[in-house]
Amino acid sequence: AQKITQTQPGMFVQEKEAVTLDCTYDTSDPSYGLFWYKQPSSGEMIFLIYQGSYDQQNATEGRYSLNFQKARKSANLVISASQLGDSAMYFCAMRETHSGTYKYIFGTGTRLKVLA
Amino acid sequence: NAGVTQTPKFQVLKTGQSMTLQCAQDMNHEYMSWYRQDPGMGLRLIHYSVGAGITDQGEVPNGYNVSRSTTEDFPLRLLSAAPSQTSVYFCASSYGPTQETQYFGPGTRLLVL
Repeated sequence: AQKITQTQPGMFVQEKEAVTLDCTYDTSDPSYGLFWYKQPSSGEMIFLIYQGSYDQQNATEGRYSLNFQKARKSANLVISASQLGDSAMYFCAMRETHSGTYKYIFGTGTRLKVLA
Repeated sequence: NAGVTQTPKFQVLKTGQSMTLQCAQDMNHEYMSWYRQDPGMGLRLIHYSVGAGITDQGEVPNGYNVSRSTTEDFPLRLLSAAPSQTSVYFCASSYGPTQETQYFGPGTRLLVL
């Protein structure tokens, strides 16, 4: 069964430093998508970045990049130059598409605290 | 565009009561979905729809019904509320089921006593 694992319940990072949030996944589907979402304390879910299973290059969006290692089934989020506003919960998610189904699986999240 | 809207924002129910959580989007999105978020468990997919008239079950569908009569609306019905359904419910939508970005609504906080 498909699964997303985020092993870091909480992380601290100093302002302006880079931080990596880990995500591993398990699927037998050759076609899938990997996502990262941010959930601030206000509760909304904010899309950050996407990586398709067939994409050759790692995805980047501003200060966010996704370190995609397909053989290891990992999709780590890298945030460069951390800001205080980056303090939030971060969720890794996977979408599988097979046999006409389109289901998303979310990890349990990592709470990031940026220190001034 | 209002994006994805959800009503109500907060609801208290007694065990056994039924209710409908409303979700609407004005972006002409085909794919819509419902999630519940419980502490320490991330988001879990309840039901989803790839277009009007087409719905399918997610990871935790028991106790919930959905229908999709229009592109814009995707209501979630709790048939007989139980304390285990106390959660925050999110609706989300995207242009298609394989689109990169899902847009989430603000959430509905449900308390079942």
